[in-house]
Amino acid sequence: EAEVAQSPRYKITEKSQAVAFWCDPISGHATLYWYRQILGQGPELLVQFQDESVVDDSQLPKDRFSAERLKGVDSTLKIQPAELGDSAMYLCASSSSSSTGELFFGEGSRLTVL
Amino acid sequence: GEDVEQSLFLSVREGDSSVINCTYTDSSSTYLYWYKQEPGAGLQLLTYIFSNMDMKQDQRLTVLLNKKDKHLSLRIADTQTGDSAIYFCAANSGNTPLVFGKGTRLSVIA
Repeated sequence: EAEVAQSPRYKITEKSQAVAFWCDPISGHATLYWYRQILGQGPELLVQFQDESVVDDSQLPKDRFSAERLKGVDSTLKIQPAELGDSAMYLCASSSSSSTGELFFGEGSRLTVL
Repeated sequence: GEDVEQSLFLSVREGDSSVINCTYTDSSSTYLYWYKQEPGAGLQLLTYIFSNMDMKQDQRLTVLLNKKDKHLSLRIADTQTGDSAIYFCAANSGNTPLVFGKGTRLSVIA
């Protein structure tokens, strides 16, 4: 069964360092999402791509976060510099153009900032 | 924008039914979803219901939708220890991204 791949699964870094997360969506899925999930909370959208274009990045803290999907396939989310409050699970999801809007999630990348 | 609310905790005995409740605010929500998250893992779609439906049943899962009250529930029959997880309600309308509740942690007591 096709899956959304994410790496790394776990990342520990010191504050002020740079971190990057990678996501490979299900083949053929045009829409890709990055969500952030703080412990004990639900996922919150950071950025949504349609192919290589950003559709919604209104909740992305653009002073330190950036996201790209240059060829409209895989995507990278970067944080520079990392802050203590960035500790969270970063979830990537993808969806096709089906009308149900179902999202398929990867296993996530857990970030701990020390 | 959409706001989704859930109770945070539910504890049931193995074999009993579990009912997880959710309310949402946007009456134009077209699809409503239930996702399951096990510790340290991503979210797995359990089921969804279209807004013109009142009920959907899928094996041990029953989803009830009260569109007038903007209330959604998930019933798990014959709850097993493997059902212990966090359950998220989510809603969207049209092309807007999914909005998730904070999740309900279901604990199943053997």
